[in-house]
Amino acid sequence: EVQLVESGGGLVKPGGSLRLSCAASGFTFSSYSMNWVRQAPGKGLEWVSSISSSSSYIYYADSVKGRFTISRDNAKNSLYLQMNSLRAEDTAVYYCAREPYSGSPPDYWGQGTLVTVSS
Amino acid sequence: QSVLTQPPSVSAAPGQKVTISCSGSSSNIGNNYVSWYQQLPGTAPKLLIYENNKRPSGIPDRFSGSKSGTSATLGITGLQTGDEADYYCGTWDSSLSAYVVFGGGTKLTVL
Repeated sequence: EVQLVESGGGLVKPGGSLRLSCAASGFTFSSYSMNWVRQAPGKGLEWVSSISSSSSYIYYADSVKGRFTISRDNAKNSLYLQMNSLRAEDTAVYYCAREPYSGSPPDYWGQGTLVTVSS
Repeated sequence: QSVLTQPPSVSAAPGQKVTISCSGSSSNIGNNYVSWYQQLPGTAPKLLIYENNKRPSGIPDRFSGSKSGTSATLGITGLQTGDEADYYCGTWDSSLSAYVVFGGGTKLTVL
């Protein structure tokens, strides 16, 4: 069974940093591209970032480019999102999601972790 | 403002059929597969339809998907109260500004 479990969310002040983690199991993690998708309170889904299986290709939404860094450790079956210079508008539930094949929308999603940016 | 356009809400009675539309452009829906997701209150999105019209294992055939040109449609027949949820379409976008794009979501109310 595919499982994705996010952690690392919490309350942070504007301008602060946070690192999210996603632990994957139930599939060959190193064979899949992975994504971070977020959802602001009461709002829709917004794609944040994507990383290919070997980390060769990385993409970011314009809204986070230069502030967020996606990475992965295939030996640990883990995906990460380093978030710096956080803003109030980054407040959201952050989901880790698997990409079934290159250029495809996600299939499996984690349960999400809430990030709140507030003073 | 979402790249893909969905109606904010739809409603129908139990047992009835409902359709949810998703409109895009040639850089996304027009040249790529569409997926549909169901998000029950307080939970993560769940894949309902992939590659325009395929259902993952465990998804009942009451749910169907189709695509024509730059638009896609999700159909749900035999509506149940448990189908009340938010539904999102998603696809890859081949423009330079995005990678995966989603619709704004449609709230389904089963009256």
